[in-house]
Amino acid sequence: DAGVTQSPTHLIKTRGQHVTLRCSPISGHKSVSWYQQVLGQGPQFIFQYYEKEERGRGNFPDRFSARQFPNYSSELNVNALLLGDSALYLCASSLGGQRYGYTFGSGTRLTVV
Amino acid sequence: GENVEQHPSTLSVQEGDSAVIKCTYSDSASNYFPWYKQELGKRPQLIIDIRSNVGEKKDQRIAVTLNKTAKHFSLHITETQPEDSAVYFCAASSTDSWGKLQFGAGTQVVVTP
Repeated sequence: DAGVTQSPTHLIKTRGQHVTLRCSPISGHKSVSWYQQVLGQGPQFIFQYYEKEERGRGNFPDRFSARQFPNYSSELNVNALLLGDSALYLCASSLGGQRYGYTFGSGTRLTVV
Repeated sequence: GENVEQHPSTLSVQEGDSAVIKCTYSDSASNYFPWYKQELGKRPQLIIDIRSNVGEKKDQRIAVTLNKTAKHFSLHITETQPEDSAVYFCAASSTDSWGKLQFGAGTQVVVTP
């Protein structure tokens, strides 16, 4: 079975641009969470979606948005990129919350220049 | 909100010795405590988790203990091997927080032969 897949793996953007990151959860998993991991730090929670509805949002500005599609894949969008948005963006999938645990994808490395 | 503190930030051990990483949490509602191992440039991988109705859990050379009263939990690695070298993250979440894992800052473990 395929694990959590994320695309692209690497991305370089200019300040002010927007970016869309994609995540496909493990087959059968209905929950997708997004995390930002700045170099040298632990992942920080951005969003959680379950059954296409937002279930949680972390302390991130409105420039960050996300959605989940009927096939449970998800997109994370970031507008008006700042240098500080440079990070590894991780997607985690779960059958449905902490009862089942979370599996992370390999992430998208975003560099804003 | 939940706050997770992790110590030490770096840990050097001789091969064959034991390693212990400690985390404290603030939210008494937290009831799920996973540990992730992240090798350089790779995704966080779940190595063990514990729920609040259990005080200790073991999986081969890895064990986790939980003290709910003191709000702290620890990871124990016995008979360390060079391949145990990585960054280890503790995390905490509560049932009503859905996908939100609050991570510690991480511990860089170096096992020297």
